[in-house]
Order: sequence, then structure tokens, then C-alpha cells
Amino acid sequence: SQKIEQNSEALNIQEGKTATLTCNYTNYSPAYLQWYRQDPGRGPVFLLLIRENEKEKRKERLKVTFDTTLKQSLFHITASQPADSATYLCALDLGDFNKFYFGSGTKLNVKP
Amino acid sequence: KAGVTQTPRYLIKTRGQQVTLSCSPISGHRSVSWYQQTPGQGLQFLFEYFSETQRNKGNFPGRFSGRQFSNSRSEMNVSTLELGDSALYLCASSLVSGSSNTGELFFGEGSRLTVL
Repeated sequence: SQKIEQNSEALNIQEGKTATLTCNYTNYSPAYLQWYRQDPGRGPVFLLLIRENEKEKRKERLKVTFDTTLKQSLFHITASQPADSATYLCALDLGDFNKFYFGSGTKLNVKP
Repeated sequence: KAGVTQTPRYLIKTRGQQVTLSCSPISGHRSVSWYQQTPGQGLQFLFEYFSETQRNKGNFPGRFSGRQFSNSRSEMNVSTLELGDSALYLCASSLVSGSSNTGELFFGEGSRLTVL
């Protein structure tokens, strides 16, 4: 069966440390993988997109890696801040008219 | 530039009723997608419209329907509401051309539907 797995338990880290979130998937062949941030009561906000032929993408304090052999993406936030506290969702994009498959999300808590 | 606007933000209905939700995409965006978000199932794709045509549909019963107007605004309708339809319904617009079939999504704040 098809599955997308993100850590269901919250990730608690200290301010200034690097947060690493994992997205594993099975029985999908995504053309792209996207990461979104969602705050309570709000809609998700796009952060980064990485293509299947890219290994790594960076944007400011964010970095995402994509390993199609391991079927895994890692999302890193360096020098984390309390304002980074939110739920982070990975989304698999099969190039199928915006029909994305979302993981259940990982809640990140950054403590001052 | 204004973001994606969804109305109403909150609504309460009873079983058997129907509901219509509205979405105004970002100006210039012609693709509108709808997702249902629940604590148990997460975000699930409902359907996608581009230039008034439904290009993709998720695995939801026929009670869930939608449409898109010539100005790219979209509506979704749920008929014969069930308790399990209680969810946050999210609309997302995307800047894709007719030849491109994917792009980053810009979500609205959602319509929170409670079915009693």
C-alpha cells in the first residue's frame, strides 16, 4: 500500500539548534516533493520544492534533501527560533494536476 | 496582492443538510484545488479545476462536488452531510499554465465545517 510517514511525535529542540524532520514514503514515485508549514487554525504555507533529480535545495535557514533510492526527504532548519514552532508537512507531487499526497505532519517546538 | 480567500470561515450544519463553500484564488491563478483536513486522515485531495474544467478528482463520494467560474473563483458543495464530513476544507490556488500540470500551492485559511 502507499504510505507517507512523518514523525507523529512532536520534535522538541532548543533555540539555536538544528531541527531535522523526516518524510519517508513507499510505493510512490514523486516527480517533486514539497514542504509546507502550518500554524494552528491556518492554511499550510509553501516553503520549499525539490525535484526528483535534485539532491539538495537551500533557502535561507532551510535545507531539504531528497533521496529517491531511500524514498526519503529530510528537512532541516538551522539556528532554529521559537517562531519556527509549527507543524511541518511534506507533500508528494506526482505531476498529476496538483493532486498532492500529504504526510500527517510533524509538530516542531522550539524552546527559548 | 491579496491571498486566497475562503468563505465562510466557520459554519455549523446538521446531518442531511447541504453546504456550499466559496474560494477566490490569487489574482492570475487559474488552478484551484480543494483539500479536506481532519485529525485522523490529514490533508486529502478532493479535486482540482483549471479554466473551468475539473482535471483531477480524489477518492471522495459523489456527494462532494465542485465547479469553477470564468473568473477562476471556485465553489465546492457537499450534499446530504454526514457527521464524518466535519473537517477543515482548504482551497489552494496555483500559478500553472495549461501545459504545466503542477506547482506550489497557495492555501486559504480554510472553512471549518461542523456537522451535528
